[in-house]
Amino acid sequence: DGGITQSPKYLFRKEGQNVTLSCEQNLNHDAMYWYRQDPGQGLRLIYYSQIVNDFQKGDIAEGYSVSREKKESFPLTVTSAQKNPTAFYLCASRIPLGGPQHFGDGTRLSIL
Amino acid sequence: SQKIEQNSEALNIQEGKTATLTCNYTNYSPAYLQWYRQDPGRGPVFLLLIRENEKEKRKERLKVTFDTTLKQSLFHITASQPADSATYLCALDMMYSGGGADGLTFGKGTHLIIQP
Repeated sequence: DGGITQSPKYLFRKEGQNVTLSCEQNLNHDAMYWYRQDPGQGLRLIYYSQIVNDFQKGDIAEGYSVSREKKESFPLTVTSAQKNPTAFYLCASRIPLGGPQHFGDGTRLSIL
Repeated sequence: SQKIEQNSEALNIQEGKTATLTCNYTNYSPAYLQWYRQDPGRGPVFLLLIRENEKEKRKERLKVTFDTTLKQSLFHITASQPADSATYLCALDMMYSGGGADGLTFGKGTHLIIQP
């Protein structure tokens, strides 16, 4: 079945530590996205990539980094510069410029 | 400033009735408007997409309307069932091209509860 796989489902970060969230898709979509969701809030865009080896900052990119070395993969690193990382992180993909987004089932990040 | 507003409080509907959810926006000119369903601890699932030149879209028990003059979309679930209980998100798609921003802009969602 085609879809998006996020791992791990739960992740804990220690003070000063960088952590990486995995996102893999087999839908052959060019565009991929990372969103952050906080309780009672909508999804906020962190980074997006419309094509391999290219990515753009979204609305809340500070403290995060991404890479897009393969079409199927778009990992997100939450760096120690992100002072409030506790949230539900969602990865999505779609054909660029229109059409529905397909989401993974998220990674919940907490601070130890 | 740009805003997307959905019913902030939970919406309680009796089973069998029609549930109507509202999405209002200001200072946007979306090319598309999309509706998603999100269950607790899961990612959103796409339901319907409506274009700026379309007034209404239907899919089984779901109906979406889009009024670009009022800057409003209504999402209807007819013959509602307890299994329809979830959070429903509206999202605006600006459809920028030529290197502009991409990605959907989401509302905070409306929590719908269908009571048996």
